[in-house]
Amino acid sequence: GQQLNQSPQSMFIQEGEDVSMNCTSSSIFNTWLWYKQDPGEGPVLLIALYKAGELTSNGRLTAQFGITRKDSFLNISASIPSDVGIYFCAGIRGQGGKLIFGQGTELSVKP
Amino acid sequence: SQTIHQWPATLVQPVGSPLSLECTVEGTSNPNLYWYRQAAGRGLQLLFYSVGIGQISSEVPQNLSASRPQDRQFILSSKKLLLSDSGFYLCAWSGGKGNTEAFFGQGTRLTVV
Repeated sequence: GQQLNQSPQSMFIQEGEDVSMNCTSSSIFNTWLWYKQDPGEGPVLLIALYKAGELTSNGRLTAQFGITRKDSFLNISASIPSDVGIYFCAGIRGQGGKLIFGQGTELSVKP
Repeated sequence: SQTIHQWPATLVQPVGSPLSLECTVEGTSNPNLYWYRQAAGRGLQLLFYSVGIGQISSEVPQNLSASRPQDRQFILSSKKLLLSDSGFYLCAWSGGKGNTEAFFGQGTRLTVV
């Protein structure tokens, strides 16, 4: 079936450092989404990407939709303690809009 | 604006008991609706998704079922819960046409004892 491979699984960084995580797939996706989830909460949408090659920013977050439509990355610049959480990529393929998630990247930020 | 409501927030149920989790969306029509399960705080597994009333796609064989009796209502059910049904259940909606972003409810923490 369709799978999104997200890496790394976890990251431990110092406050102020930049972070990069990515998702790849063997299938083409029409839309890439990046979410953040805090413990006990539902995921919250950070960035949505709709076109191959698209580069979109949301504050300190930047994400890109790969040219091949099979990958995407998320960068967080100058991390702060509240960036802690699990980040998920998600892809939508086909007109039915079925949303498939990566396995998540757990981010820990040391003050 | 659109909102999604999911309840209850937490639930403790004995093995063999029935289950009904409800999700409703406001402020939109004909949304795509989804049920996900998340185990151990990682990996959202798609259980069911629906593109319209009475249209349910099941992604994995399991002890659960879903129904969509109204356009903006999505229900997750079980006749007899198993211990392995414990987890964090999330409902989500997206725009019905095209590939648009999805928005999540607050989740239900289900513990089967």
